[in-house]
Formats: sequence, structure tokens, C-alpha cells
Amino acid sequence: EPEVTQTPSHQVTQMGQEVILRCVPISNHLYFYWYRQILGQKVEFLVSFYNNEISEKSEIFDDQFSVERPDGSNFTLKIRSTKLEDSAMYFCASSGGVNGANVLTFGAGSRLTVL
Amino acid sequence: GQSLEQPSEVTAVEGAIVQINCTYQTSGFYGLSWYQQHDGGAPTFLSYNALDGLEETGRFSSFLSRSDSYGYLLLQELQMKDSASYFCAVSLMDSSYKLIFGSGTRLLVRP
Repeated sequence: EPEVTQTPSHQVTQMGQEVILRCVPISNHLYFYWYRQILGQKVEFLVSFYNNEISEKSEIFDDQFSVERPDGSNFTLKIRSTKLEDSAMYFCASSGGVNGANVLTFGAGSRLTVL
Repeated sequence: GQSLEQPSEVTAVEGAIVQINCTYQTSGFYGLSWYQQHDGGAPTFLSYNALDGLEETGRFSSFLSRSDSYGYLLLQELQMKDSASYFCAVSLMDSSYKLIFGSGTRLLVRP
């Protein structure tokens, strides 16, 4: 079964450093997303991406964050100048294949720990 | 804005049936989804309702009433492996197909 892959699975960084989280969405999907989940809390929408541009972003997705699809397969989330409160699990997701755009397939997540 | 309400915790016995309710207040509602998440895992799609009524997939069923802004997930013949968090999520009538998640219901299945 096709899956969304994310790297790294866990990253520890110092406050103020930049991190890049990487995702390979399912190959025939058209819509890509980043979500985050602070431990024990709900899954929060960050940004959606379609046709090589951001289609929507949440209030959380401020100037500290950026996304890029540098080639035909990778989808990255960059967090500049990390803060302690950025510590969370970050999930990449994609949709738009045979199951339709409304069914999101999530990756296993990247756990970010900011010290 | 959007808001979704679901119980924070439910406990049930193996083999039993459990219903997890979700009420929502949104503008531009399009559909209601359910996702399962085991501890440390990713959300996994269970079901999607865009129309009123019941959708059945094996032991799991999902119901939607658009007029009542209400839906539920029904889990039958509970197994220990069903212990997980269950999230309802709304899709909106916009171009992004993003999901807005509820706070989740933690289901504990006891022997």
C-alpha cells in the first residue's frame, strides 16, 4: 500500500536553530499538507499546498515557517529560529488519489524537540 | 471559526459496542471524517461522510446528520487493539481540502 514517508523520525535542536522536515507524499496525490500535534493535544492544520503553491495556511503558520516542493517528489517544511513551543510531532499528509481529495494519508511523523 | 466537540474519554469492554459522538459548528461544511490514532502513531483514515446517513466498513460505521451538525462513529465487537484515540474532522467548502480536527476521544478497551 502506498505510504507517505517522513524524515527524520526524531530531531533534537537548540532554540534559535533552523530545522527542515522532509516528506515524500504518495506519488499520484495532488494535495499536500503539514499538521502538527503537541503531545496529548489535537492535530492542528498548518498549511496546504497544491499546484506548487500554498493554497491555505493557518494562523500558526507565520513567517517562521515555509514550505517547498523542490522537485517532483519531496515536500519540505522549514522552521526558522525554532522556539521551545515548536516542540511537537509534525505530520505530513497527502490526498487526491483514487480515494479522493477528502481522504488524507498521513506519514508517521517527525518528532521535533527544541531545547 | 470552526469548533468540534467530542467526549475526551470512553471506556468499554472487549466485545461490546461503543459510540463516539461529534458535534460541529462550522461555516461551509462539506463532510465529516473519522481518524484513528494509536499512541505514537499517525492518524489513520477510518471513514468519511458527505451525505446524511450511515456508512459501514466492517466493524466500524459512521453516521452523519447535516441538519443536526452531528455525527458518530460506531465500533462493534470491540477488540483490545481498538484502544486508541479517535478524531472527528470536518472538511470545508474551500479549495484546500484541509481537515479541521476535533480534540479526540481516547477509547480504552478493557478485557
